[in-house]
Amino acid sequence: DTEVTQTPKHLVMGMTNKKSLKCEQHMGHRAMYWYKQKAKKPPELMFVYSYEKLSINESVPSRFSPECPNSSLLNLHLHALQPEDSALYLCASSQVTGHGYEQYFGPGTRLTVT
Amino acid sequence: GENVEQHPSTLSVQEGDSAVIKCTYSDSASNYFPWYKQELGKRPQLIIDIRSNVGEKKDQRIAVTLNKTAKHFSLHITETQPEDSAVYFCAARKETNAGKSTFGDGTTLTVKP
Repeated sequence: DTEVTQTPKHLVMGMTNKKSLKCEQHMGHRAMYWYKQKAKKPPELMFVYSYEKLSINESVPSRFSPECPNSSLLNLHLHALQPEDSALYLCASSQVTGHGYEQYFGPGTRLTVT
Repeated sequence: GENVEQHPSTLSVQEGDSAVIKCTYSDSASNYFPWYKQELGKRPQLIIDIRSNVGEKKDQRIAVTLNKTAKHFSLHITETQPEDSAVYFCAARKETNAGKSTFGDGTTLTVKP
């Protein structure tokens, strides 16, 4: 299984809602990532988990809260988002965070904040 | 920090022609350079990568070249096909950066049949 899965595919939420994005991989990878991608722009790194511990937080606002319950799962909890947070949220995984290990991307969750 | 510049931002070629996309990076410590293809509405997918101890790598119609001295690397696609139409992103990463890649802004390649 060389796939990263993400749910839901689409999400529309109001600015007062709380929702969560989910990501799962069964490749035995120990590094997992959250990216945000706006239209026609490259992915922007948000968080990196290495061996279930948060290793990078790219100064992401606290309304985004990541969680890594185990080595296969990665969640992104959303609360009090703004319309400018509307984007494609991509999860990725790699064997470890060292260089040279391919990052496998999930299909993404397209988030719209109204 | 690392800065990656990618050119051109858009590229249109006739089917069967070659396409070249160029990237430059600023941090000489970067040592891993992947290229991703992202079709409309789909996930980025790695198509080829190169490490700093190698000058060129080929995979069928795709090749990447790296010039460490000049700090630039290029993607070459030969015999282009309409299904090559997509956005292509280059990236640079260094081993000490805990998995963080710096991406170029992307090149939209259109292959006309």
